[in-house]
Amino acid sequence: QKEVEQNSGPLSVPEGAIASLNCTYSDRVSQSFFWYRQYSGKSPELIMSIYSNGDKEDGRFTAQLNKASQYVSLLIRDSQPSDSATYLCAEGSSNTGKLIFGQGTTLQVKP
Amino acid sequence: EAGVAQSPRYKIIEKRQSVAFWCNPISGHATLYWYQQILGQGPKLLIQFQNNGVVDDSQLPKDRFSAERLKGVDSTLKIQPAKLEDSAVYLCASRTLTGRSGGYTFGSGTRLTVV
Repeated sequence: QKEVEQNSGPLSVPEGAIASLNCTYSDRVSQSFFWYRQYSGKSPELIMSIYSNGDKEDGRFTAQLNKASQYVSLLIRDSQPSDSATYLCAEGSSNTGKLIFGQGTTLQVKP
Repeated sequence: EAGVAQSPRYKIIEKRQSVAFWCNPISGHATLYWYQQILGQGPKLLIQFQNNGVVDDSQLPKDRFSAERLKGVDSTLKIQPAKLEDSAVYLCASRTLTGRSGGYTFGSGTRLTVV
């Protein structure tokens, strides 16, 4: 059974700091990874995708993938209170396209 | 582009009753997913359709859950009879066929409370 593991948190950071969210996965052949943001009472929203080893930057967000160590991370620079949410890591199946989600990490950004 | 539409937004039923949820995917999207998200957990795939055929229903509790996607467009997910542990948000998502798994957009979900 493929698994995606995340620390449920909460992770608390002060406004303006860097938030670092981590995720590990068990399937060595996985090729696609995603980060979703979910505000309380809302559905998950795709914020980053990464397919290759290394870093991928998009605005204040940087996704990092290390296939040898089987982990994915999300860095949020200059964290804002509006970034307070649950962040879901997901692994994509190359066969069916389905996503396998971790349990999510709750981020709290304090003013 | 219109997003994935789901209804109803909320539903409260008593245990052992039946309930149905409806999903209208983004136009032209061949693949449709139903996920269950229990409070405090990540979404879990229940069933995946490609056009009107089932690709994966390995985690669908088939003794009580059923789903169909007639004509390869809209889909309905039914629970009969409902149990307390079915209380969750039911999310629908759709995507086009691509060679590599891509992230997809979820509908707003249906929040089910079984009492």
